[in-house]
Amino acid sequence: QTVVTQEPSFSVFPGGTVTLTCGLNSGSVSATYHPSWYQQTPGQAPRALIYNTNTRSSGVPDRFSGSILGNKAALTITGAQADDECTYYCVLYMGSGIWVFGGGTKLTVL
Amino acid sequence: EVQLVESGGGLIQPGGSLRLSCAASALTVSTNYMNWVRQAPGKGLEWVSILHRDGGTYYADSVKGRFTISRDSSKNTLFLQMNSLRAEDTAVYYCVTNTNWHFDKWGQGTLVTVSS
Repeated sequence: QTVVTQEPSFSVFPGGTVTLTCGLNSGSVSATYHPSWYQQTPGQAPRALIYNTNTRSSGVPDRFSGSILGNKAALTITGAQADDECTYYCVLYMGSGIWVFGGGTKLTVL
Repeated sequence: EVQLVESGGGLIQPGGSLRLSCAASALTVSTNYMNWVRQAPGKGLEWVSILHRDGGTYYADSVKGRFTISRDSSKNTLFLQMNSLRAEDTAVYYCVTNTNWHFDKWGQGTLVTVSS
């Protein structure tokens, strides 16, 4: 069974830089998986941040960026702000119409 | 502005059936890739199903054979028929579009609680 892995939690100081990752329990993530990233605050629907590895959604500040780092997809937040504190999800396209979300990373801005 | 409004959630006993609806405005359901994504209380997101523009349907293993995604083009509405419901199907169900290989427009969700 395919499992998409994310760090359960991460911390960053205000103004700092943090990189969250999105991997596979077996194999490497590449652009062919069309990795995308979502931000969710409690009680709200998720919001798309990054798609197709590194394309920012409309209205997303450029301090959010996406990439492939090694064998994982990555979301980097540069100059973290207090309102970046929330949960971040990635999702990968597995082919044959199937999508799988990662378990999410809860980001704390210290 | 695109709006997706889910309805049909509620409390249902295990083994029961429920049909969720997603009414779309400023967007044509039949020409978009439409999904259901769910989130159990306090848990992460889980992709459930997608309906392609060409009518192709795909499901997560956890719901295959129990859930059916469909649309009514005349009503511009997406549906999710859920049968043989289990406690683990308890979740907020979101209606979501998929454009350019990502989930871009989300509804506010409807809560389904499976409990006796």
